[in-house]
Amino acid sequence: EVQLVESGEGLVQPGSSMKLSCVASGFTFSNYGMNWIRQAPKKGLEWIALIYYDSSSKYYADSVKGRFTISRDNSKNTLYLEMNSLRSEDTAMYYCAKGATVENWGQGVMVTVSS
Amino acid sequence: DVVMTQTPPSLSVAIGQSVSISCKSSQSLVYSDGKTYLHWLLQSPGQSPKLLIYQVSNLGSGVPDRFSGTGSQKDFTLKISRVEAEDLGVYYCVQATHFPLTFGSGTKLEIK
Repeated sequence: EVQLVESGEGLVQPGSSMKLSCVASGFTFSNYGMNWIRQAPKKGLEWIALIYYDSSSKYYADSVKGRFTISRDNSKNTLYLEMNSLRSEDTAMYYCAKGATVENWGQGVMVTVSS
Repeated sequence: DVVMTQTPPSLSVAIGQSVSISCKSSQSLVYSDGKTYLHWLLQSPGQSPKLLIYQVSNLGSGVPDRFSGTGSQKDFTLKISRVEAEDLGVYYCVQATHFPLTFGSGTKLEIK
């Protein structure tokens, strides 16, 4: 069974940094591209980043480009999202999702940016 | 960015009825490999999204065949036959042909 388990949730002040993790199991992690997708409270879904299976390419939404960095460690079956210069509008539930079909999602972690 | 226009924003249906949700894209979603990366998701209350349909018409794992997807190029439809109580939630279309991936605004399905 495919499982994606995010961690790293919390409350931080504007301008600070935070790092999320997503541990994958139940499939060959190193064969799949992975996404981070977020959902602000009571809002729709926003894709924010994608990393290829071998880390050869990374893509970002304009809203996070230059502030967020997606990475992965295939030896640990883990996906990361490093978030810098956080803003109040980054407050959201953050999900990792598998593949170009976003076929599996984690349970999500809540990131709150507030003073 | 590709704009995904999803309608209606909400639906209220009785158990056993059929419903359709429309999703229209601002550009063709046919990729250079000939495939169309248009998928449908369901977010049940308090849950993370779940894949229902991938590449227009393929059922996700464990998804009942009451769900079906059709369409091509820029015009897509999700149909739910014989709605059941467990189908309530918000349905999203998502395109993964062009970067950035973009989602429809969602259709909230309520049970009468």
